[in-house]
Parts: sequence; structure tokens; C-alpha cells
Amino acid sequence: DAKTTQPPSMDCAEGRAANLPCNHSTISGNEYVYWYRQIHSQGPQYIIHGLKNNETNEMASLIITEDRKSSTLILPHATLRDTAVYYCIVRAPFPRSNDYKLSFGAGTTVTVRA
Amino acid sequence: NAGVTQTPKFQVLKTGQSMTLQCAQDMNHEYMSWYRQDPGMGLRLIHYSVGAGITDQGEVPNGYNVSRSTTEDFPLRLLSAAPSQTSVYFCASSSGTSGGIAKNIQYFGAGTRLSVL
Repeated sequence: DAKTTQPPSMDCAEGRAANLPCNHSTISGNEYVYWYRQIHSQGPQYIIHGLKNNETNEMASLIITEDRKSSTLILPHATLRDTAVYYCIVRAPFPRSNDYKLSFGAGTTVTVRA
Repeated sequence: NAGVTQTPKFQVLKTGQSMTLQCAQDMNHEYMSWYRQDPGMGLRLIHYSVGAGITDQGEVPNGYNVSRSTTEDFPLRLLSAAPSQTSVYFCASSSGTSGGIAKNIQYFGAGTRLSVL
């Protein structure tokens, strides 16, 4: 799996957009960018994923740079319930990647403040 | 749609006791897995399964057994509980290919919090 770099923490005001960066300069052509989050004491939750095009779903938007070396997760209107640790993961889907496990790394602790 | 259901939510065991953590999914996913998460640490893969009757070891399999007799269920057995197995256990399921496109998105249960005294 390609190595990712995320800021350790960030604050965001409730109701504002939260932009979470992720660097993945060693990404290879068959690797996707996945975002998950883990709210305290809960199981990890899938947010969004993409290969090279920008993606949007009901939770967030994912912007991937043209060279695919970095991406940004956008939570358009952050709420207090979005306070969580956010993980950017770059990998080829199993079994194209022969390593099944999902390696979360340290992630970014996002605190949404009222 | 329940997704991934884990039972029990909490469990306290004495050293040497055995128990089974239950996991069921209703999404007809091919892949299922068990992770453990210790305080302040990331997830570590215990065992996984790519289909009924097929299981494989993850990075920390010792002390745990699994079987997959149906697509829906993937129980995790602790054979003889040890204090080192005190942890939060998460079960996850994921689809393989869907419409010819591999997604491999993992959906997690709420977790089982296990204490071994």
C-alpha cells in the first residue's frame, strides 16, 4: 500500500466546510484513495473512495489532484457529530492487492466546535 | 438493513475461559474479517474469510479460531482467554467485485469490548 501523510489534528467550526488533506506521492496506477472515519468508541465507517476522478456522495466530496499525488476530503457542512479520527488509505482493492488488511495509520483527529 | 451485527457488545472473562464472539452480515458480502483495536492503536487483522468454507490468518491469529460455514456468519472463538486479549474486537464485511469493478469497501460492526481478568 502507498504511504499516506495526514496532519495529526485540525479544528473546524460547526456549519463550515472541513477540508482534510492527504499526501500520497508514491501512489501507483491501480491504487484507489479510500477515506474512513472512526467516531469515539464506534466501529470505523467508510466515507468515500476514488481512483482519479473527483467523487461526491451524501457524506462528503473527494478531490484528487491530476497527478494523483494528493487528495482532499471535504465535509461540506460540518456538524458536532463529525468529530472523529479520519483516515486516508491508498491501496489496490483485494485481491489485486494480496494484503487483505486495512491499515489505518494515525489519521487526522478532527474536532468540530460549536 | 442491519449491516454488520456483533454480539455481545460487552464481555468480561476470566483467564482460561473460552467464548465465541458472533458476527453476522446481511449484505451478501463475500469477504468477512475480524480486527482487534487496543487503546491508542490502530486495527490489527486477526483472521479473514474470502467466502464460505475459506479462511486465512491475519497478522495476529494466535489464540483465536474462526470458521465460515455460511456467507452470513463469521464467529471468532477465543480458545483460552488471556489478559493480553483484552481489547475491542471489530468484525467487518466487504464485497469483492461488483459489476466488474472491485470496490472492497469494508463495513464494520459496532464492536465487542472484551476484558479478560
